[in-house]
Amino acid sequence: KAGVTQTPRYLIKTRGQQVTLSCSPISGHRSVSWYQQTPGQGLQFLFEYFSETQRNKGNFPGRFSGRQFSNSRSEMNVSTLELGDSALYLCASSKITGVQETQYFGPGTRLLVL
Amino acid sequence: DQQVKQNSPSLSVQEGRISILNCDYTNSMFDYFLWYKKYPAEGPTFLISISSIKDKNEDGRFTVFLNKSAKHLSLHIVPSQPGDSAVYFCAAKGAFQGAQKLVFGQGTRLTINP
Repeated sequence: KAGVTQTPRYLIKTRGQQVTLSCSPISGHRSVSWYQQTPGQGLQFLFEYFSETQRNKGNFPGRFSGRQFSNSRSEMNVSTLELGDSALYLCASSKITGVQETQYFGPGTRLLVL
Repeated sequence: DQQVKQNSPSLSVQEGRISILNCDYTNSMFDYFLWYKKYPAEGPTFLISISSIKDKNEDGRFTVFLNKSAKHLSLHIVPSQPGDSAVYFCAAKGAFQGAQKLVFGQGTRLTINP
């Protein structure tokens, strides 16, 4: 079974631009979560989508948005990029949401904002 | 407000000895705890978990201990092997305002020396 895939793997943008990242979950998984990883901050939760609906949202500004399609693929968009948005963005999928549901992570998209 | 803290950013252990990674949490609403392992250029992979109704869970060389009164969990790896060198994240799950949240610590970089 193919794992979680994320595209692109690397991205360089300049301040003020916008970016769209893509995540394809494991087949059959309906929940997709997005995380931002920066040095010293660990993984910070951005949002979770389940069956095309945002189920959960972290404490990020409105510049960060996402959506999920009917095939469970998800996109994350960041508008008006800032230098501090440089990070590794990770996507994780699971079959359902729930306490004991294990999340499977993709390799991430490394974004550099200049 | 960092609800899940890994106070040691790095740890070096001799091959064959025991590695102990620590994690503290502040919110008693967390009822399920997980450890993830992350290699460079890869997403985190699930390692081991523990429910709050238990105080110990063992899986091969990996054991997780939970001390609810101290709001502390630890991951023991014995014996440590060079392939264990990675960043380890602890994570805590709980229901907040009707939604399940998964909160990660900042990570601890474990280096196993031959």
